[in-house]
Amino acid sequence: DAEITQSPRHKITETGRQVTLACHQTWNHNNMFWYRQDLGHGLRLIHYSYGVQDTNKGEVSDGYSVSRSNTEDLPLTLESAASSQTSVYFCASSDGGLAGADTQYFGPGTRLTVL
Amino acid sequence: GQNIDQPTEMTATEGAIVQINCTYQTSGFNGLFWYQQHAGEAPTFLSYNVLDGLEEKGRFSSFLSRSKGYSYLLLKELQMKDSASYLCAVRYSGAGSYQLTFGKGTKLSVIP
Repeated sequence: DAEITQSPRHKITETGRQVTLACHQTWNHNNMFWYRQDLGHGLRLIHYSYGVQDTNKGEVSDGYSVSRSNTEDLPLTLESAASSQTSVYFCASSDGGLAGADTQYFGPGTRLTVL
Repeated sequence: GQNIDQPTEMTATEGAIVQINCTYQTSGFNGLFWYQQHAGEAPTFLSYNVLDGLEEKGRFSSFLSRSKGYSYLLLKELQMKDSASYLCAVRYSGAGSYQLTFGKGTKLSVIP
């Protein structure tokens, strides 16, 4: 069955370290998204991609980067982790069709703690 | 930015009906989604509305009024497992735009 996975599921790191969170989907979807979810803020978009070699900044992109070298993967990198980046991170994908709902399907999430 | 407003918390009794409202800015509207999220889990898709009216899926229904910038999610015959957060999300139009703007979610507690 097609799915979307994230790794690691839990991560503890120290301030200033570089961290990469993986997202892999087997839906063959064109679109991929990274969100963070914090109490009182809901889901906020960090970066998104509409295809290979395409990346775009979202609402809260400062301190984060992504790259899209193939259809299946969109890794999220925290260049120099800060305590304010402690959060739960969700990856999502959608097929990007021209018609229809283009529903986003979410991965299981990564809980990141920055000490 | 585009504000999506929904109540923070609601409580309802098992077997009852509950309506969760969502209001949004209408300019550029291009579709509204409802997601369910149990504590510690990922959001899962419930419903999609792009035209005015009611969409029914079993115990769950979703309504949209585009002119009023208003939607609601109706849950019937509530079960304990319906205790979760319900997220309203809107897609706004733009060149190749598939992004969603999410509300902060409504935490629903179902009590016996």
